[in-house]
Amino acid sequence: GEDVEQSLFLSVREGDSSVINCTYTDSSSTYLYWYKQEPGAGLQLLTYIFSNMDMKQDQRLTVLLNKKDKHLSLRIADTQTGDSAIYFCAESSHNNNDMRFGAGTRLTVKP
Amino acid sequence: DGGITQSPKYLFRKEGQNVTLSCEQNLNHDAMYWYRQDPGQGLRLIYYSQIVNDFQKGDIAEGYSVSREKKESFPLTVTSAQKNPTAFYLCASNARGENTGELFFGEGSRLTVL
Repeated sequence: GEDVEQSLFLSVREGDSSVINCTYTDSSSTYLYWYKQEPGAGLQLLTYIFSNMDMKQDQRLTVLLNKKDKHLSLRIADTQTGDSAIYFCAESSHNNNDMRFGAGTRLTVKP
Repeated sequence: DGGITQSPKYLFRKEGQNVTLSCEQNLNHDAMYWYRQDPGQGLRLIYYSQIVNDFQKGDIAEGYSVSREKKESFPLTVTSAQKNPTAFYLCASNARGENTGELFFGEGSRLTVL
């Protein structure tokens, strides 16, 4: 089946930028998403990007999409301790019963 | 406030017992989903339902069952046939035809088999 891959851990210092990377294999992906999961909670949508876009910026968040390389990244500027969480990359092509999630990247922000 | 409510948040079960996890939403969403989350793995789809009285198997449906008698409710039963049921279970929903396809998640239910 189609895969979404991301590294499992990232550690940064407070105030630095964080960059979380994701690769996917489905060339028909329509939407790509970043979800955030706080400890012991469900996932919340952080941002998404449509496949015909290269970049999307929303306050401290910047999403870059390289469709040719099937690479998605999430940059968090001025990372705060409250950003510590698990970040999931996900993609879907036609409808949400085929939404595929990566394993999640655990971001740790050190003071 | 609109949202998805899962209960119970924590559940302990002895081997050989069936358990049912509740998922209720008041977002008027047509589609509902159950995912299983294990450490170091992505979310895996168990079952989904796009309309009342209809549901489809996901990638790991074996050992699970669901029903969709009401639009608001999509309970998941973890049966004794599920070989490794200890996990974090997440319910989600979304509106059919909505452009971005955003999934709205509940807070999750953690099942531990003793």
